[in-house]
Amino acid sequence: DVVLTQTPPTLSATIGQSVSISCRSSQSLLHSNGNTYLNWLLQRPGQPPQLLIYLVSRLESGVPNRFSGSGSGTDFTLKISGVEAEDLGVYYCVQSTHAPWTFGGGTKLELK
Amino acid sequence: EVQLVESGGGLVQPGASLKLSCVASGFTFSDYWMSWVRQTPGKTMEWIGDIKYDGSYTNYAPSLKNRFTISRDNAKSTLYLQMSNVRSEDTATYYCTRDHTAYWGQGTLVTVSS
Repeated sequence: DVVLTQTPPTLSATIGQSVSISCRSSQSLLHSNGNTYLNWLLQRPGQPPQLLIYLVSRLESGVPNRFSGSGSGTDFTLKISGVEAEDLGVYYCVQSTHAPWTFGGGTKLELK
Repeated sequence: EVQLVESGGGLVQPGASLKLSCVASGFTFSDYWMSWVRQTPGKTMEWIGDIKYDGSYTNYAPSLKNRFTISRDNAKSTLYLQMSNVRSEDTATYYCTRDHTAYWGQGTLVTVSS
């Protein structure tokens, strides 16, 4: 199975600060069809996860543009440009290029 | 609006069987692959498997393939997860999802304990 390693496990930020989360894969996530199926999710306390970014860098409809994704192959990054209070929660990367899908261990974003 | 509503969770004894349901609305259910994902109390996420829009094909996580079965009834817009011989490590919140991880239900909690 593909292993996704997320760092850091915990991130403390102030409102307005820009932060980044890394997701590294044990193998390339480039599919034979040319797509890279790497998504980013946010799970707020007591809520199901919600999709933020799909296909590495595409912003899901309704998601603020302070969220951005980048990367290729095995190395991916989620950036939040100016943290807001509603951004607090746990972030997960997830890949569906290779079966079985796998998830990163999560990064908890909290207020400093 | 896409809605996914899971049900069927609860307290179950080790070795028992349980069937979860996910009722979909707000879209044409028979047009979409659907998946099950679970989240342990420690917040680890695990993909269980998925099913083709017509129910003709399923994929499973290898570690669960022998005990879990995914099915669907397109006439009822309902996705199912049949769990058998459950173990304590199956304790988790179970979510149905559409479009890989684009849409999620609220989840149903399964607790395996004697």
